[in-house]
Amino acid sequence: GESVGLHLPTLSVQEGDNSIINCAYSNSASDYFIWYKQESGKGPQFIIDIRSNMDKRQGQRVTVLLNKTVKHLSLQIAATQPGDSAVYFCAEKWQGAQKLVFGQGTRLTINP
Amino acid sequence: KAGVTQTPRYLIKTRGQQVTLSCSPISGHRSVSWYQQTPGQGLQFLFEYFSETQRNKGNFPGRFSGRQFSNSRSEMNVSTLELGDSALYLCASSRGQGDTQYFGPGTRLTVL
Repeated sequence: GESVGLHLPTLSVQEGDNSIINCAYSNSASDYFIWYKQESGKGPQFIIDIRSNMDKRQGQRVTVLLNKTVKHLSLQIAATQPGDSAVYFCAEKWQGAQKLVFGQGTRLTINP
Repeated sequence: KAGVTQTPRYLIKTRGQQVTLSCSPISGHRSVSWYQQTPGQGLQFLFEYFSETQRNKGNFPGRFSGRQFSNSRSEMNVSTLELGDSALYLCASSRGQGDTQYFGPGTRLTVL
């Protein structure tokens, strides 16, 4: 079906700890995946992306892992900071299509 | 480089009215996509324009329409507004189809 789901709607972590946000996608034909961060009152902000021919991609403090066998995507945030508090969305793009299909979002809260 | 801009940022309308929202993409970006974000349905794709042509359309009624101008700026229109149209309307631009989409801050539409 047309859905990208998240295992947990909320996640609380201690400042300085690492965070892992998970996402399951349903369309095995998807060829591009993106993580967005949305803060209150703002539009989604691009964090990192990965194409289906890759398993892992690293950015600054963030890593995205793609497991095509089980159709699973994860976002790892290292040494979380208060500014990381936001809702995180995974999105998939079906091969040949332009539209993004978004997950429900996970609210990440950083505890001091 | 300036990001995606959307106007107006906030809008209040009454049922039955129509509304036009505007989006200016990042300079050099030719693809503009529109999404609706609500607490209940999350982020849902409305349509995508590339070179003044609608290339993809989501599952929304015909009351939702859009267009793109030669300078890549885009507008979306919603006619005969319903209470359920209250949402954050997000515009995203990309260099071309299949490229990373960058979002604007959105227009918050409230229908009374």
